[in-house]
Amino acid sequence: AQSVTQPDIHITVSEGASLELRCNYSYGATPYLFWYVQSPGQGLQLLLKYFSGDTLVQGIKGFEAEFKRSQSSFNLRKPSVHWSDAAEYFCAVGAASGTYKYIFGTGTRLKVLA
Amino acid sequence: ETGVTQSPTHLIKTRGQQVTLRCSSQSGHNTVSWYQQALGQGPQFIFQYYREEENGRGNFPPRFSGLQFPNYSSELNVNALELDDSALYLCASSPVPGQSYEQYFGPGTRLTVT
Repeated sequence: AQSVTQPDIHITVSEGASLELRCNYSYGATPYLFWYVQSPGQGLQLLLKYFSGDTLVQGIKGFEAEFKRSQSSFNLRKPSVHWSDAAEYFCAVGAASGTYKYIFGTGTRLKVLA
Repeated sequence: ETGVTQSPTHLIKTRGQQVTLRCSSQSGHNTVSWYQQALGQGPQFIFQYYREEENGRGNFPPRFSGLQFPNYSSELNVNALELDDSALYLCASSPVPGQSYEQYFGPGTRLTVT
């Protein structure tokens, strides 16, 4: 079955520290992968996406993610976290079997310490 | 270019009532998908509309229904509301299925059922 796992429910980092949010997926074909950020009470903002090609993708706000097929992972990274990065982060896979839809992970809530 | 819009922003309903949520797709997009995001969870796919027809459905009961209009806007209707229907409802639009693998999300409608 198609699924997305975000193993870390909560992560706390200090401002200026590096960040890595984990995402593992289960999907039979080449996945289309996305990271979204959601601030409290807000909708989803796309950070970055992977469709094909270079496995290291750059996104907005200084985020990047690396697709590793052998590990079925698509981890999100940022070298230096800002207090404004505190939010919930969702990894999603675009499932193209039948109706094209997104399958989301349960999210990782990021807290940033000043 | 106008993005995806949703109305209302918030609403409160009583258990057993019916509710209609509305979504206007991004210009040029003729496919609309609806997602339910319960508190602390990732969004879950409800259904998708393409050319005014339901084009796929997630694991939601028939009391969740929808419409798509000739201008590609869409409605989500929920009958016999239950407390567990309290959630953020997200609408996403996309071009012709298969043409693009990116969905563009609206800000959501927060539904509270009491």
